[in-house]
Amino acid sequence: QVQLQESGPRLVKPSETLSLNCSVSGGSVSSDTYYWSWIRQPPGKRLEWMAYIYDSRRTNYNPSLMSRLTISIDTSKNQFSVNLRSVTAADTAIYYCAVGVGSPLFDYWGQGTLVTVSS
Amino acid sequence: DIQMTQSPSSLSASVGDRVTITCRASQTIATYLNWYQQKPGKAPKLLIYGASSFQSGVPSRFSGRGSGTDFTLTISSLQPEDFATYSCQQSYSTPWTFGQGTKVENK
Repeated sequence: QVQLQESGPRLVKPSETLSLNCSVSGGSVSSDTYYWSWIRQPPGKRLEWMAYIYDSRRTNYNPSLMSRLTISIDTSKNQFSVNLRSVTAADTAIYYCAVGVGSPLFDYWGQGTLVTVSS
Repeated sequence: DIQMTQSPSSLSASVGDRVTITCRASQTIATYLNWYQQKPGKAPKLLIYGASSFQSGVPSRFSGRGSGTDFTLTISSLQPEDFATYSCQQSYSTPWTFGQGTKVENK
């Protein structure tokens, strides 16, 4: 079973870049079996899919975030990452990494990390 | 984007009750509909995919139905561990989108 763990700063200043990593165990980020995603949930709001990456370099982004978002894989660390640029208070949310096994579902999730955007 | 709307937004029920949650898509999504359960402070857990297929380990009291634009999640006999928020999600086309969630509370 694949296990995921998010890491990164919990507090980011407005206009700066939010960067999170997701460490993977029980599966290889370089495998074409898995679809690696980032999903977020602002306080009291619905879940929002942000992006996925598979086969090491094939990506798909939510158009609402595409201009500010980059998802990438680091095979040497067996992790995948997200960078969200020019953040505002509206980007305050619990950020989850998730994986689909063989299909772009969300079969397994990390525990989530709350990131607050504030000066 | 495909909009997903759930009803009700919340409900109160007792252990043993039959509970049904509805999810409606703003356009047809065939059976590309998934259901998640989320407990406070925890990540969502995939329950049902493809509208009616069980994820491994999900109790048989959960069932999903529907196709096109209208879908339901039913819990045949509510158990104490089922009090949670349930969200639907379409995987028909990106951007994948979620419903606003239905909170099942203890009456």
